[in-house]
Amino acid sequence: AQKITQTQPGMFVQEKEAVTLDCTYDTSDQSYGLFWYKQPSSGEMIFLIYQGSYDEQNATEGRYSLNFQKARKSANLVISASQLGDSAMYFCAMREEGNNDMRFGAGTRLTVKP
Amino acid sequence: EAGVAQSPRYKIIEKRQSVAFWCNPISGHATLYWYQQILGQGPKLLIQFQNNGVVDDSQLPKDRFSAERLKGVDSTLKIQPAKLEDSAVYLCASSSRPGQGGSEAFFGQGTRLTVV
Repeated sequence: AQKITQTQPGMFVQEKEAVTLDCTYDTSDQSYGLFWYKQPSSGEMIFLIYQGSYDEQNATEGRYSLNFQKARKSANLVISASQLGDSAMYFCAMREEGNNDMRFGAGTRLTVKP
Repeated sequence: EAGVAQSPRYKIIEKRQSVAFWCNPISGHATLYWYQQILGQGPKLLIQFQNNGVVDDSQLPKDRFSAERLKGVDSTLKIQPAKLEDSAVYLCASSSRPGQGGSEAFFGQGTRLTVV
């Protein structure tokens, strides 16, 4: 069974600084996708960024980038120039192409300090 | 493009009662997921549909939970009878191209269930 591990229950970052949220995964599949979602206190799940297992370049979306290290099975999210509105829960998720289900980690609560 | 619609937004029931949640995915999305998110935890996959067929229900407590997706569009998730530990937010999500790159899941607002 696939497994997603987020080891940081909570993180603090100063406004305008960069922060890295950790995610490691476990799978025996060769083809899979990795996703990051943001969940503000309102409860909605907002898709941030995607990385495919065969992608050679690290994914970037605006201030979000994904530090993908396939051999180490890690997919860390980097948020640059943090803003107060970035304070939220962040979830890492993986979907294996073989069974298509999307499973989530326990999440990291990010707090941006002014 | 309309998003994933869920109803109701909130529900309070007594233990041993039954409850049903409804989800309407984004038009054309073949894959539909139901997740249970207990406060402070990540979403836990309950069941995944591909069109109107079940792909994965390995984490669905089948003695009390059931789900269906008639005609491959709308879906309902039912709990009967409810237990206190079922108190959670139930999230529905849909995806257009499972198994291919970039096919993120789009989530509804969720239904917050409180069992008392």
